[in-house]
Parts: sequence; C-alpha cells; structure tokens
Amino acid sequence: EVVLTQSPGTLSLSPGERATLSCRASQSVRSSYLAWYQQKPGQAPRLLIYGASSRATGIPDRFSGSGSGTDFTLSISRLEPEDFAVYYCQQYGSSTWTFGQGTKVEIK
Amino acid sequence: QVQLVQSGAAVKKPGASVKVSCKASGYTFTSYYMHWVRQAPGQGLEWMGIINPSDGSTSYPQKFQGRVTMTRDTSTSTGYMELSSLRSEDTAVYYCARETIPGLGMDVWGQGTTVTVSS
Repeated sequence: EVVLTQSPGTLSLSPGERATLSCRASQSVRSSYLAWYQQKPGQAPRLLIYGASSRATGIPDRFSGSGSGTDFTLSISRLEPEDFAVYYCQQYGSSTWTFGQGTKVEIK
Repeated sequence: QVQLVQSGAAVKKPGASVKVSCKASGYTFTSYYMHWVRQAPGQGLEWMGIINPSDGSTSYPQKFQGRVTMTRDTSTSTGYMELSSLRSEDTAVYYCARETIPGLGMDVWGQGTTVTVSS
C-alpha cells in the first residue's frame, strides 16, 4: 500500500501570502492518479486538483498542483480568508485509494 | 443539481451493524463509481472501499474486508454501506463520494453521516 506523508502538519500564514504544501509517497504514483482536497470544519471534502495538476470545475486559478513520481506539491498563490482549511492529498493505485494525513493551513 | 444525500445519524452498540444510504440525483447513477470514506473525530480521511453501480462489483482495503459490505439499488439510484461488528473506534462521519474514472478524483460528496458506537 502506498503511504502518503504530508508536510508540514500545520502552516501558519497571513492572507495574501503564498502557501506551499508537500505530499510525499512511499513509492511512485502515476501523476494521473494524484488528487488534492480541501476540507473546512463541519463540511465534506472538496476536490481541488486531479491528475496532479488539473483544477477541478470551479476551482480558482490561485490553486495549482505539480509534481511527479513520489513528490507532489499544492500551491496557493495568494491566500484568501476562505482558503484557511485542511488539505489532503490522495492517490489511486492497484485498486486502492489512500489519503495523506492532512495539512492544516491556519491564520497567523 | 448533482448531489448525494445520505441517511441520518445513527447510534449503535458495540457488536451491532450499521447501514448507511447515499441517494444520487442529477446524474446517471450507473456512470460513476461510488466510494465510501470515513473520518474519525479530529482525524483524517480513511478510504473504506468502492462499488461500481453498473455491475455491483466492489473493492475493499484489507482493513475492512469481512466487515464492510457495499451494495446498490439502481432502481432508486442509491448506494449502501454496511459495517458490522462495530466497535468504539468506528465512531466517525461516513461519507459517500462519486468518481467518474478510477484515479481522477472524487468530485461530488455526500453531506456525511455521523455514526456513534457506544454502550
């Protein structure tokens, strides 16, 4: 099973700053099968990025994804107040889906 | 609009079973896979399995094999997740989510169903 490790656990930033979140896999992941989600308290997760770098429908272009192999990154160019949330990466491989443990982006 | 609507909260005793439903609307039910994902209080997301509503085929991670059963009713566009032999560690919010092609991301999620296991 592929284990996804996200870092940092918590990111403390101010609105307008850039956020860079990391997701590292224990073995190589097909880029097509790497996704990112945002979750706010009391809400279901929301798909942000699929295929490592493609934005889901309605996702603002301040969100971008990159990476390949075992190292993937979610970037938020300029944090808006509504972007403070928990972010999860997720991969699919060998009929198994796994999530990272999450990165919380909090207001500094 | 496209949505997944789940059944209400449940409280169960240890050793019992729970069955959560997820009714799809606004899209062709059999054209999308349905996942089940759970989240324990204050914890991350955990994938529980997937069902192909078109043919009923399923895949579960080893952790849940033998304890989880996913089914569907195409006449009502509803998916079901049943978890048996409940223990306190199964207390969580359970979500259903759809995916068009495996690996392309879960783009629509249900609102979540809280299951509490307590004696």
